[in-house]
Formats: sequence, structure tokens, C-alpha cells
Amino acid sequence: QLQLQESGPGLVKPSETLSLTCTVSAGSISSSSYYWAWIRQPPGKGLEWIGSIYYSGNTYYNPSLKSRVTVSVDTSKNQFSLNLSSVTAADTAVYYCARHPTVMVAFDIWGQGTLVIVSA
Amino acid sequence: QSALTQPASVSGSPGQSITISCTGTSSDVGSYNLVSWYQQHPGKAPKLVIYEGSKRPSGVSNRFSGSKSGNTASLTISGLQAEDEAAYYCCSYAGSTTWVFGGGTKLTVL
Repeated sequence: QLQLQESGPGLVKPSETLSLTCTVSAGSISSSSYYWAWIRQPPGKGLEWIGSIYYSGNTYYNPSLKSRVTVSVDTSKNQFSLNLSSVTAADTAVYYCARHPTVMVAFDIWGQGTLVIVSA
Repeated sequence: QSALTQPASVSGSPGQSITISCTGTSSDVGSYNLVSWYQQHPGKAPKLVIYEGSKRPSGVSNRFSGSKSGNTASLTISGLQAEDEAAYYCCSYAGSTTWVFGGGTKLTVL
């Protein structure tokens, strides 16, 4: 059963860059059948799609975050990553990585999520 | 790209049916029959329960069903059970390989 696991610092200072990695296990990130996504959820609030990447490196971003977001993939490590620059307290959230199949328009497998707090 | 609109809360008694609405625009919900629904228990990751408007993933109870009319999608849960108490989020494809979520609905089983 494919699993996703987020990792990275739980505390980031304002104006710095938030960096997270999602490790894919029991499956290949290089499959042409899937995209890989980042989604976040501020405490007590709803979900927000951040961006997605295909194994080839093609990326797709939420227009409201596009200027600050970079998603990349490392097929040799079976990982994909999120960089969010110039963070503020509004970026405090649980960050999830997820899979979305090319033949299913939905996010079918999710990581457990990791809380990132932006604070000095 | 604005968040889809969901009621903040709904409630129902065991055995009853409830419906959660999800209202978007002609640029997202209205243009595509590609709404998905997620169930989220406290402290847990979301779980997919409906995709592409009305399809159920393997293993999801047939008590969950989805539909759409115009710019509004709906999730119906029939035969309400205590374990259904959770937050539910809709999500729509919004074109150009982008997605938009709803604000979430808290379901209380009385």
C-alpha cells in the first residue's frame, strides 16, 4: 500500500522560506499515472490546494500562492518537495502531501500531515 | 479563485439522511462534473469518499452519494451512523490543472 510521509522543520521564522519534503514509499513517484500535490490547512480552517507536480517536472500552482511557491521532484530519492518563500503567520498550517491519479480527478492518498508554525 | 461555499455545520440523528451543499461558480463546479468530497476526523488526514461528482472509491460505503445541479454540488449521507461525525470538504477542478476547496462542513450526529 503506497504511503506518503511529510518531513521538515516545524518552526519557521517570518520572512524565511518554508521547506518540506514528501517521501513516497511502496510505490514509484516516476509513474506516469500520477501527479503529486501539496495541500495545507490552517488551524481550525479549511483546506487549500498549494500546487502539484508530475514526475517529468511539470508544475501547477494555486494562482494566489504562485509567486512564492516552488514544487520540485527528486525521482532518485522518490521524493517531492515544497518551498514557500517570505512566510508570515498566515502560512501557519498543517501541510499535507497527496497523490492524484491522472485518471481520477481527486486526491486519493494523503500523508498524515505536518504542522508548520511561523513565529519569531 | 475563491473557495467554494459550504454550510458551516449540519446535523442529523442516527438512521436519517443529510445533505451537504457546495456552491461554486461557472468557472469551477458549473463547468466540470469533477467535484470530490473528503471526510476528515479530528487530527486525521482527509479521506476521499466521492470523486468526479458521484463515484465512490473502493471501500467507501454506498451510504455516501454525490450529485450536482448547476453551480452546486451535493453530498448525501444516508442511514447516518455515529462514525460519520466528521468534517466534510468539497473540492472542484477549476481548469488549467488547478483545484479549489470548500470551507468545510462539520457534521454532528445527534
